[in-house]
Amino acid sequence: AQSVTQLGSHLSVSEGALVLLRCNYSSSVPPYLFWYVQYPNQGLQLLLKYTTGATLVKGINGFEAEFKKSETSFHLTKPSAHMSDAAEYFCAVSHTGTASKLTFGTGTRLQVTL
Amino acid sequence: NAGVTQTPKFRVLKTGQSMTLLCAQDMNHEYMYWYRQDPGMGLRLIHYSVGEGTTAKGEVPDGYNVSRLKKQNFLLGLESAAPSQTSVYFCASSSGTRISEQFFGPGTRLTVL
Repeated sequence: AQSVTQLGSHLSVSEGALVLLRCNYSSSVPPYLFWYVQYPNQGLQLLLKYTTGATLVKGINGFEAEFKKSETSFHLTKPSAHMSDAAEYFCAVSHTGTASKLTFGTGTRLQVTL
Repeated sequence: NAGVTQTPKFRVLKTGQSMTLLCAQDMNHEYMYWYRQDPGMGLRLIHYSVGEGTTAKGEVPDGYNVSRLKKQNFLLGLESAAPSQTSVYFCASSSGTRISEQFFGPGTRLTVL
């Protein structure tokens, strides 16, 4: 079975500061991992995904994530936060088998302050 | 190209009432999903479909039914609403491989009194 754990339901950073959102996964097979972002009152949209190959994955809006098998982690980072990054961020792992189902973490709400 | 749309955006029901949420996608995707989002619990899969005429149960299917009569539409029904079904409901679609992105609709906020 696949699962993800996101540490910290809320994170507050200053504009210009480093953003680090943590995600650890559990998977019985090589995982496919995703980060989605949800802006207020909107649906989710894909930030980035890891399938195979390069372990450092770059996404939209300056975000990137590194797959570390030894640590079972897929943390999301951005060097310099912007006010527009305020949103909720979800890590997800893809199931094996048909239907390409996703299991989501509980989310981390990012607040960016001046 | 509208992507994934959901109808309605908001709804208030009384306990015991029924309703249907409509999801439509114009990307010719095979797979469609219904999730509910509750504070502190992330998104949980209610039901999903891998093609026209097929449906399957997800993680939290009790109290819900679905139908996929047309490839582009996926309906979620509540036969007898309960306060525990107060939530935000999201529909998503994907082309169906394990690495495929799921595209999400804007959500329906449902309150059951």
